[in-house]
Amino acid sequence: QSALTQPRSVSGSPGQSVTISCTGTTSDVGGYNYVSWYQQHPGKAPKLMIYDVRKRPSGVPDRFSGSKSGNTASLTISGLQAEDEADYYCCSKTATYTGVFGTGTKVTVL
Amino acid sequence: EVQLVQSGAEMRKPGESLKISCTASGYTFTSHWIAWVRQRPGKGLEWMGFIYPRDSDTKYSPSFQGQVTFSVDKSITAAYLQWSILRASDTAMYYCARLPHFEYPVLDYWGQGTLVTVSS
Repeated sequence: QSALTQPRSVSGSPGQSVTISCTGTTSDVGGYNYVSWYQQHPGKAPKLMIYDVRKRPSGVPDRFSGSKSGNTASLTISGLQAEDEADYYCCSKTATYTGVFGTGTKVTVL
Repeated sequence: EVQLVQSGAEMRKPGESLKISCTASGYTFTSHWIAWVRQRPGKGLEWMGFIYPRDSDTKYSPSFQGQVTFSVDKSITAAYLQWSILRASDTAMYYCARLPHFEYPVLDYWGQGTLVTVSS
C-alpha cells in the first residue's frame, strides 16, 4: 500500500486560505468516505483535525474544513493564522489494513 | 480526560530486543482499539497496525508484519509494542493512538511518543 500523495509544502499570508490535496486511488480515498486529517507541530504528537472527510472534532476551529472529489481529498484552512504553521497529514481507510497516511504537507504562514 | 502515556526514550544496539508501553486512562480500555504509528526522523507518519484490548485481536500492515508484535495487559490498561531483533532502520518515534473502531481510521487521542534509537 503506497502512501497517499500530498504536496510537499503550501504557504499563505495571515488571513488567506490554503488548500492541501491528498490523492489516492479507488482502493482508498476514492473508495470510502473515511478520510481524516492530522496536524503536527514540531516535536509534538499529531492532532486529529478532520474525520469522515468533513467532520470536525470538538475544539477544532471551523477555519478547518474537509472535502473530497473522486480519488482526491482536500483540507482547507481559511483565515490562516500563525499557529496553523505545522505539518499536515491525511489518512484514508483502505481495503486491506484500515489505514494509510499521506506523504505530509508543510504549511508555512508568511 | 482521555490520556495515553508512553514509556520513555530507549537506546539499543542492533540485534537487541525491546518492548515499549502505552498506558491508557480516562476511558474504557477494552472498548476501543489501540493503533501504533511510526515516524522516522524527518519523515512522515506510517500506519503500523492495531490491537483490540478486549480479545488481543491484531492486524499488522504488510510492512510491519513479522517485524513487530503488539500486545496488551488489560489489568493495567497498557498496550505494548515489541521487537525481538532491532535494526538501525527501526530508529524512529513511535506513537500509540486510540482508534475508536478498526474499520474507520480515526485516531482521536495520541500518546506523546517514544523515541527509539538503534545504534552500535
